[in-house]
Amino acid sequence: DGGITQSPKYLFRKEGQNVTLSCEQNLNHDAMYWYRQDPGQGLRLIYYSQIVNDFQKGDIAEGYSVSREKKESFPLTVTSAQKNPTAFYLCASSSRQANSPLHFGNGTRLTVT
Amino acid sequence: SQKIEQNSEALNIQEGKTATLTCNYTNYSPAYLQWYRQDPGRGPVFLLLIRENEKEKRKERLKVTFDTTLKQSLFHITASQPADSATYLCAPDSGNTPLVFGKGTRLSVIA
Repeated sequence: DGGITQSPKYLFRKEGQNVTLSCEQNLNHDAMYWYRQDPGQGLRLIYYSQIVNDFQKGDIAEGYSVSREKKESFPLTVTSAQKNPTAFYLCASSSRQANSPLHFGNGTRLTVT
Repeated sequence: SQKIEQNSEALNIQEGKTATLTCNYTNYSPAYLQWYRQDPGRGPVFLLLIRENEKEKRKERLKVTFDTTLKQSLFHITASQPADSATYLCAPDSGNTPLVFGKGTRLSVIA
């Protein structure tokens, strides 16, 4: 079955620690995205990548970093510089064709205390 | 700046009635508009896409309209069922930038 997998589902970290969220897809999609979702705020774009070895900042990239070394994988690192890291993180992928729908993973809920 | 407004945070309707959700946008000129469904603790799932030259699109009990003059899309669920309870997100799509989503409307269908 083709799809997009995020792991783990729940993640707990102490303040000051970096943490990496995994996102893997087997849909052969070129484009991948990271969104953050907070209650009452909707989805906000963190980073996106349209091709391997290239990525762009979204609206709220500060305190985050990404890499795109393989087409299938787009890990997100939440660094200690991110002031409010506790949130629900969603990864998505799509083909590069205009108007292609996004396929989302089921998210990682990160709690930092 | 670009803005997307979905009519209300929450909408409660009786089973069997038609639910109508609104998506208004400003400072956009989207060529398409996408609608997604999100269940609690899950990622959004794509439902429908409508193009700017299409007035209406249907899929089973779902109907979407797109009025580029009013800058508005309406999303209808006819003969609603409790299983339709979810949050529905709209995303105007200009075709060349990552999707930006509205905050969503949480629909509750009461049996």
